[in-house]
Amino acid sequence: EPEVTQTPSHQVTQMGQEVILRCVPISNHLYFYWYRQILGQKVEFLVSFYNNEISEKSEIFDDQFSVERPDGSNFTLKIRSTKLEDSAMYFCASSWIAGNTGELFFGEGSRLTVL
Amino acid sequence: DQQVKQNSPSLSVQEGRISILNCDYTNSMFDYFLWYKKYPAEGPTFLISISSIKDKNEDGRFTVFLNKSAKHLSLHIVPSQPGDSAVYFCAASGRTYKYIFGTGTRLKVLA
Repeated sequence: EPEVTQTPSHQVTQMGQEVILRCVPISNHLYFYWYRQILGQKVEFLVSFYNNEISEKSEIFDDQFSVERPDGSNFTLKIRSTKLEDSAMYFCASSWIAGNTGELFFGEGSRLTVL
Repeated sequence: DQQVKQNSPSLSVQEGRISILNCDYTNSMFDYFLWYKKYPAEGPTFLISISSIKDKNEDGRFTVFLNKSAKHLSLHIVPSQPGDSAVYFCAASGRTYKYIFGTGTRLKVLA
């Protein structure tokens, strides 16, 4: 069964460092998303991406965050200068059709720990 | 602003009985709803969805009910099995690309 894969599974970084989280969405999907879950809290939307551009972003997704689809398969989330409060599980998701009419398929997550 | 609320943080049910997980929403623009199950250290896994044109959707042991006037949906699992023990999130979407997730309900099915 096709799945969304994410790397790394866990990254530990120092505050102020740049981090890139990588995702390989399901191959025929067109819509891509990043969500995050701070420990013990709800899953929060960060950004959606379609047709090589951001289609929607939340207030969490400030100038420190960026997304890119550098080739036909990868979808990356970059955090330019990490803060302690960026520590969370980051989930990539993809869908075949627009998010408001279909299910999202999630990866297993990348745990980011900022020290 | 919590647009999607799951007011029960946890629920314990005996194996074989019905589990009922509840979710309330405030935004009347939401028209598509999903339930996800999440095990520790894994991503959410899709369970079942319902659009606002329906009031019920069934898939095996899982049934989702939608009450639009009350802005309430519920997930019924029957019969409950120990493997159903997980955190369950409801999520809602309106005419946007994003889903808003609830805070989750931890279900424990006792053998």
